[in-house]
Amino acid sequence: NAGVMQNPRHLVRRRGQEARLRCSPMKGHSHVYWYRQLPEEGLKFMVYLQKENIIDESGMPKERFSAEFPKEGPSILRIQQVVRGDSAAYFCASSQTGGADGYTFGSGTRLTVV
Amino acid sequence: RKEVEQDPGPFNVPEGATVAFNCTYSNSASQSFFWYRQDCRKEPKLLMSVYSSGNEDGRFTAQLNRASQYISLLIRDSKLSDSATYLCVVNALIQGAQKLVFGQGTRLTINP
Repeated sequence: NAGVMQNPRHLVRRRGQEARLRCSPMKGHSHVYWYRQLPEEGLKFMVYLQKENIIDESGMPKERFSAEFPKEGPSILRIQQVVRGDSAAYFCASSQTGGADGYTFGSGTRLTVV
Repeated sequence: RKEVEQDPGPFNVPEGATVAFNCTYSNSASQSFFWYRQDCRKEPKLLMSVYSSGNEDGRFTAQLNRASQYISLLIRDSKLSDSATYLCVVNALIQGAQKLVFGQGTRLTINP
C-alpha cells in the first residue's frame, strides 16, 4: 500500500501563474481532504471531496482556488494567478470512513511563489 | 471560541521528564478524538486515538473528559526523539459534513 501520494513535493511558481497540486488517496479510500499550513501556523481545512463531489468547501478562498476529485485519477487542487501569500505547505489526506478512524496524510506539496 | 484549543508552547523539558499537554474542544457532539504528531516540515502522523476509557501506548497516555470537553496527552520518560509538534484533533459534524478539526499544535523540545 503506497499510502497517500502527493506531487510534486516542491513547486515554484511566479506571481500570476497557475499551480496544480495532485493527490492520490490510499487504496480503498474515497474521502479526500486538502489542508493548508502557513509557516509557523496550524493546519487549516480547505476542502473535503468524495469521488466527483465536493462535500465541504467552507475553507476554500472564494477566488482563484478550486478542487476536484474525478471518477478516474487523482484529486487536483488548482490555484490560479498565484500570489506570494499562497506560499505554504498543502497537505492532502484520505480516509475510508469519513474521519472516524482518523486521516492518513500525504507528504505535502510545498508551494513557493516568487 | 476556537473549535480546538491548545497551548502552543513551546515546552522545553529535559530528557527523561514527564510532560503533559491539554486541549479543549467546543463541539459537544464530537465523537472521535486523536493526537497527531508533526515533525518539522513533515506531514502529520497519527500518534493515537483517544477513547472515553483512556488509553495507553507505551510511554504515551491519552485521556478524554467529555463532560469538560477536555483531552490530554501524557508522555513519560521523554526521549530526544519525542521533540515535535503535537496536534489535538477532533472529528465533528460541521456544516453537514464530518471532518477532522486540528488544534494549532503544541511544540515540544526535549533537551539532552
